[in-house]
This record gives sequence, C-alpha cells and structure tokens, in this order.
Amino acid sequence: GAVVSQHPSWVICKSGTSVKIECRSLDFQATTMFWYRQFPKQSLMLMATSNEGSKATYEQGVEKDKFLINHASLTLSTLTVTSAHPEDSSFYICSARGSGPSGETQYFGPGTRLLVL
Amino acid sequence: AQKITQTQPGMFVQEKEAVTLDCTYDTSDPSYGLFWYKQPSSGEMIFLIYQGSYDQQNATEGRYSLNFQKARKSANLVISASQLGDSAMYFCAMRERAAGNKLTFGGGTRVLVKP
Repeated sequence: GAVVSQHPSWVICKSGTSVKIECRSLDFQATTMFWYRQFPKQSLMLMATSNEGSKATYEQGVEKDKFLINHASLTLSTLTVTSAHPEDSSFYICSARGSGPSGETQYFGPGTRLLVL
Repeated sequence: AQKITQTQPGMFVQEKEAVTLDCTYDTSDPSYGLFWYKQPSSGEMIFLIYQGSYDQQNATEGRYSLNFQKARKSANLVISASQLGDSAMYFCAMRERAAGNKLTFGGGTRVLVKP
C-alpha cells in the first residue's frame, strides 16, 4: 500500500520557537495532503488541506499565521508551528490521498508528537 | 449535528470472538465514502476498509467487514476472530464529495481484546 512518512516523529521545544514538520508521500504523487491535530483521548481534527502549488485551505478556527503550510512538490508538504506555546502541544498527523486496493483513499503518516515547554 | 457518531467509547472482547463497532453518519450528499481506521498506541492511523455510497455489496478485507445499511445511515465494522493485536482505537470516517472530499472522523471506540 501507499506509504506516507513524517519527520520528526517527536519534538520537544521551548515556548516561542518554531517547529517544522515534514510529510512525504514515498511511492506516489499526492496533489492533496491534509494536516490533522489530535489531543489525548480525542479524535482527529482537520486543520487544513494542502494543495500542491497553491495556498492551503484552513478549517474554521485554525490560525493560518500560526500554522504555516507549504506544499512545494507532489511528494512533500510541511507544517510549521510558529512561535509555539504549551497549548500547541499535540499529536500532528498528515495524510495524503492516493490510490489503494479500494480505489482512492487517504493514507496517514505515523504522526509527530509535539511538546512545548 | 454530528456528522459521524460512534456511540461506544470502549469495549472488551474475548480473544477469537467477533466484535461489532457501531458507526452512524449524517449526510445529504449522494456521493460519499466511509472509512474505518485503526490507531494503536503508537499513534499511526492504519486504513482498514472502505465503502462507497454507490457500492452494492458490503466491503470485506480479511477479518474486517463493513455492515453497510444505507437507509439507516450506518456503517458498522465487524472484526471476526479477534486477536490480541486488535486492541486499539478504531475510528469511523466519512468523505463527502460536496465537502471537498475531506475526511470527517467520529469520536472513536477503544477496543481491548482479552486473552
């Protein structure tokens, strides 16, 4: 099946610093990637939809200046958490749309755990 | 209104028995897809099974089958012959074409398989 990688898998940073998370589709081209956020014991919440070569579409309530998304190529999207604060600590997961045995589906990366001190 | 509802926050199942995880959805879009994902403690989201709104037959993938009842707007996941490794969170999700094909997730069901 399709593989999506994420880097780093976890990061601890000081409040006020910026953190960049990379999401790559390893064996397929993804024109659309998605960024989700998951708090402990909660479901995934879509933050934004990232389209290659164009601006990301953010969900209501998500600050675009806080969470910068760049989708520079068909295999790479990045999420930068700018001036991170403790409340930004969460599990961030990207996904990419690709073809699978059941037709087009969404494959997820392994996630990035962010802890802001 | 919730788009995707999973009414079972958690459940135990005996090893080798079957378990059914409930999922109901709400949409007026005639074209939609329903997904089930498994999330073990490591956090990765593992795709299990997919059902399209126009599919005539219930989807099956190995030990996973989807009981799709379109009129009732339900898409329950059945796991047969449970294994210890099936212990995880399970999420039902829906993709609506009218909503730009974004995935909307239910609240999840935690399954613990007892030996």
